[in-house]
Amino acid sequence: AQKVTQAQTEISVVEKEDVTLDCVYETRDTTYYLFWYKQPPSGELVFLIRRNSFDEQNEISGRYSWNFQKSTSSFNFTITASQVVDSAVYFCALSERDQAGTALIFGKGTTLSVSS
Amino acid sequence: DSGVTQTPKHLITATGQRVTLRCSPRSGDLSVYWYQQSLDQGLQFLIQYYNGEERAKGNILERFSAQQFPDLHSELNLSSLELGDSALYFCASSPSGYSNQPQHFGDGTRLSIL
Repeated sequence: AQKVTQAQTEISVVEKEDVTLDCVYETRDTTYYLFWYKQPPSGELVFLIRRNSFDEQNEISGRYSWNFQKSTSSFNFTITASQVVDSAVYFCALSERDQAGTALIFGKGTTLSVSS
Repeated sequence: DSGVTQTPKHLITATGQRVTLRCSPRSGDLSVYWYQQSLDQGLQFLIQYYNGEERAKGNILERFSAQQFPDLHSELNLSSLELGDSALYFCASSPSGYSNQPQHFGDGTRLSIL
């Protein structure tokens, strides 16, 4: 069965620290897609990144980077030089191919608090 | 701004009542999803529509129903409301409902049952 685990419930850092949010997934499919979403205090869900299961290349976007390792079923998210505006709940999600529906399976989320 | 519009933003009602939540997808998106976010269950998929047809069902209660109209907007109907239905309800959309497409979420409707 599909499952996404975000073991870190809450993380607190001071501005300019680097922080890594962990995501471990379970799936029986060989083709699947992984996503990260951000939910700031205002409540909306913001799409950050999508990764295909057949593309293990890491990705960097500004201060954000993602490390996908199929061997360990992990898709971790690192924020470099964190800022107060990064404070939010971050969700990792999984979607499988060849499903009648394409629902996202979300982890429980990691609450990141960045203090100044 | 994701381009997905949800109304109302907040809804307060009493147990036993019925409410309708509305969603307009991003321009050009044919697939609409509904999710429920609660403290104990997290983000849970409820139902998906594609171009007016139901595509998939998740953990949606029988008291809940949804539809997608010819103009592609969608409504989620919640009836015989219980205290436990208090939650944030999100609508999301994607171009054609394929699993590789990111779903873009609206701001949600916060439902409070008194």
